[in-house]
Order: sequence, then structure tokens, then C-alpha cells
Amino acid sequence: EVQLLESGGGLVRPGGSLRLSCTASGFSFVGYAMNWVRQAPGKGLEWVSAISGGGDDIYYAASVRGRFTVSRDNAKKTLYLQMNSLRAEDTAVYYCAKTDYECSGDRCYLDAFDIWGQGTMVTVSS
Amino acid sequence: QSVLTQPPSASGTPGQGVTISCSGSRSNIGSNDISWYHQLPGTAPKLLILRNDQRPLGVPDRFSASKSGTSASLAISGLRSEDEAYYYCASWDDSLNSPVFGGGTRLTVL
Repeated sequence: EVQLLESGGGLVRPGGSLRLSCTASGFSFVGYAMNWVRQAPGKGLEWVSAISGGGDDIYYAASVRGRFTVSRDNAKKTLYLQMNSLRAEDTAVYYCAKTDYECSGDRCYLDAFDIWGQGTMVTVSS
Repeated sequence: QSVLTQPPSASGTPGQGVTISCSGSRSNIGSNDISWYHQLPGTAPKLLILRNDQRPLGVPDRFSASKSGTSASLAISGLRSEDEAYYYCASWDDSLNSPVFGGGTRLTVL
């Protein structure tokens, strides 16, 4: 069964750090790009970051660029999100999601998010 | 403010059909594929439609979608109570060089 399992969420003070993990099973992890998507309480979905299968291509939303770092360990089939300088507005459920990554010439894009984890809650509060 | 625009709510009665729209621009829907997701409260989103109109295995054919220009729509026929959920559209945006989501539509089955 294809599965993603997030962990690492919790309560952290503003300015603090947290590292999220997402462990994959049931598919060839290295063959797919992986994403982080978050959802603030009562709000819609917001894409946060993505990393290609080999880790060469990395993308960030403007709201987290310079504060968050995405990485992956393909041997461990695990995706990470290092979150620094956390703010109250980073409070959300963080989902990891799998996508195809398509490149044609010098143009690359992420395809549909076809598998999602169950999410891990991050609360930034003093 | 979401890059893709969806109506905040939609409703229908059991057995009826309903359509949810998603409006964007040339840099996203106008140039790239769109996907649709549904989300029950307290659960993770689930892929409903990929590449504009393709249903993943297991998604019933009551769900269909189309795209025209810079807009897209999701149609649900034969509404059931279990269809009551939030629905999101998404696409790649060439200007932002990132995926973008719609704000979501809450579907109520009356």
C-alpha cells in the first residue's frame, strides 16, 4: 500500500525551530518529487515547498523562502522540512504529498498531488 | 487571496448535480493542467481529478471535470450525502514557478 506518514509537529515558540519528517512506503521514493502543503486552522490549502526525486531541484513558496529548508534521504525514503524563525502565521497542519515532476527542455513543473499523508500539526505560540 | 478563484460554497440535494468553478489566468490554468481534490473535515485531501479530466482509479464516474481557456469546472452528478466536503482546484503557475491552489469550495448536500 502506498503510504506517507508525517511526524515532528508540536508546539513551538515564535522564533523557534522544528523539523518535520515524512516517511514513505509502497512506491519507488526516488522516482517522485515530494511536497509540503499546509493548511492553517479553518483555511484552505497552501503549497509550501517541493524537492525533485534526486534532490537537484527545490522550490519554495515566497512566504517561507529563507526560513524553511526541504531535503530528502532516498535511502531512508524520508522527506524533511526544517523550519526556522517560526511565526504565528506558520501555525497549520503540514501534509507531505507525492507528485510527478515533468521537465521538457528547460521548463519543469510539478504534476498533481496524488498521494497525501495524514498531516502533522504545528502550533507557533508563546 | 488565492491565485485560483473558487466560489466559497455550493449546494445541492441528493440525486441532483452540481458544478464547481475554478478561475485562473494564462500563467496557470491557461497554460497548465488542473487537478481537483476533495477533503472531508479533519482528514487529508484526496486527489479527485488529474490532468484536467482524468479520474484516478477508484474515483466514481459521477465526478467529471473540464477546462476551457483560463477556467475549469468540476461536475458532480447524483449527489450523495458523503459528497459533502471541501473541494479544491490546483494548477502549476509559470509566473510564480510553483503550484497554486484555489481557496476551496464547501459543498453542502441539503
